Amino acid sequence: QSALTQPRSVSGSPGQSVTISCTGTSSDVGGYNYVSWYQQHPGKAPKLMIYDVSKRPSGVPDRFSGSKSGNTASLTISGLQAEDEADYYCYSYAGSYTLVFGGGTKLTVL
Amino acid sequence: EVQLVESGGGLVQPGGSLRLSCAASGFTFSNYWMSWVRQAPGKGLEWVANIKQDGSDKYYVDSVKGRFTISRDNAENSLYLQMNSLRAEDTAVYYCARDLRYNDYWGQGTLVTVSS
Repeated sequence: QSALTQPRSVSGSPGQSVTISCTGTSSDVGGYNYVSWYQQHPGKAPKLMIYDVSKRPSGVPDRFSGSKSGNTASLTISGLQAEDEADYYCYSYAGSYTLVFGGGTKLTVL
Repeated sequence: EVQLVESGGGLVQPGGSLRLSCAASGFTFSNYWMSWVRQAPGKGLEWVANIKQDGSDKYYVDSVKGRFTISRDNAENSLYLQMNSLRAEDTAVYYCARDLRYNDYWGQGTLVTVSS
């Protein structure tokens, strides 16, 4: 049950694109197509942005997209906006009904 | 509208116990797995436990096994987390969240502080 590995921080200017990586193992990210991503603003509850690697819940802008290759999942945010500044967490099923989060990435919009 | 409302947090001494509750509304509670997720102050999210729709299966992160018990009352649309033998490292905001492989709805969280 080791945490997935995310960069501590990423940044980009408004209108640019950024990608946040999430690296696990063949026992979690690589073994299942059950990676989700959450956005969390300070003092708020997390919000689901992507589920099952690349699916977007209703209401989430299509600027947010997800993908996976091997043991690494990625969240890409295109057309960065000021309100995208937040912490982002990946989350993966890890077998036997257990789950594991990434350590979180702070996105700064310059 | 789906709502999850946690309660029961507070200050407790090391070694003490606390029971968290989560009141669910706006969906058929008995159709969903439910989860508890926590976040220590200034730290990341950590999955704590989940429970099957009928309460028959329960799973925990290693660090709370034998100390925490997740349960549910489908007649009352409520989820619970009984926390015993609490440690300083259990200090966190505890969120209840809907579903298993991803959590589409979250409560606002309840703060548990373990300190003497």
